[in-house]
Amino acid sequence: QKEVEQNSGPLSVPEGAIASLNCTYSDRGSQSFFWYRQYSGKSPELIMFIYSNGDKEDGRFTAQLNKASQYVSLLIRDSQPSDSATYLCAVQGGTSYGKLTFGQGTILTVHP
Amino acid sequence: GAGVSQSPRYKVAKRGQDVALRCDPISGHVSLFWYQQALGQGPEFLTYFQNEAQLDKSGLPSDRFFAERPEGSVSTLKIQRTQQEDSAVYLCASSPTGRMNTEAFFGQGTRLTVV
Repeated sequence: QKEVEQNSGPLSVPEGAIASLNCTYSDRGSQSFFWYRQYSGKSPELIMFIYSNGDKEDGRFTAQLNKASQYVSLLIRDSQPSDSATYLCAVQGGTSYGKLTFGQGTILTVHP
Repeated sequence: GAGVSQSPRYKVAKRGQDVALRCDPISGHVSLFWYQQALGQGPEFLTYFQNEAQLDKSGLPSDRFFAERPEGSVSTLKIQRTQQEDSAVYLCASSPTGRMNTEAFFGQGTRLTVV
């Protein structure tokens, strides 16, 4: 079992819809959770982070964390074609010098 | 500089050749991380420096991989006797604290192709 798992997709949604991206992790000691967006040929850029159980909203993005279920998700409301990218879930443990463990990424395509 | 700078951006190496990849972190950032990203995969941790000290090298795949940061700023990742499976994008990230956090940034990466 991989430490961080994501559905690789591709996930295709129409413009204006809600895109839902999911991630599960195996280390119960994980403390911080990050979502990165990576456009083709570019480096990952941070779009959301969450530390506590529940929801965290930032503009069109909502991150959801459920530590009991070891599950973190990202919702993108009013999806735009410019949101088309690979979304990487990353998990930070408590005893790993702050390194991040990434999932394999979910490819999102938003079609007009 | 304004961001994390990596060089070269692209490198083609013949199998068996040694390569050196450079990372210039954001000025003042104490932590520096190297990741390897294979095509279609997420980044995988290679090694971590806090200032000049290499605190974690658990992700280096073999003893052909070596990293250094002698003055606590620029870092070099060296791969000896390159193999085809080393083909990947090598990402460097720096952070102002001892952890990857919201103020950490990735460089543009070096795409290594071993032929």
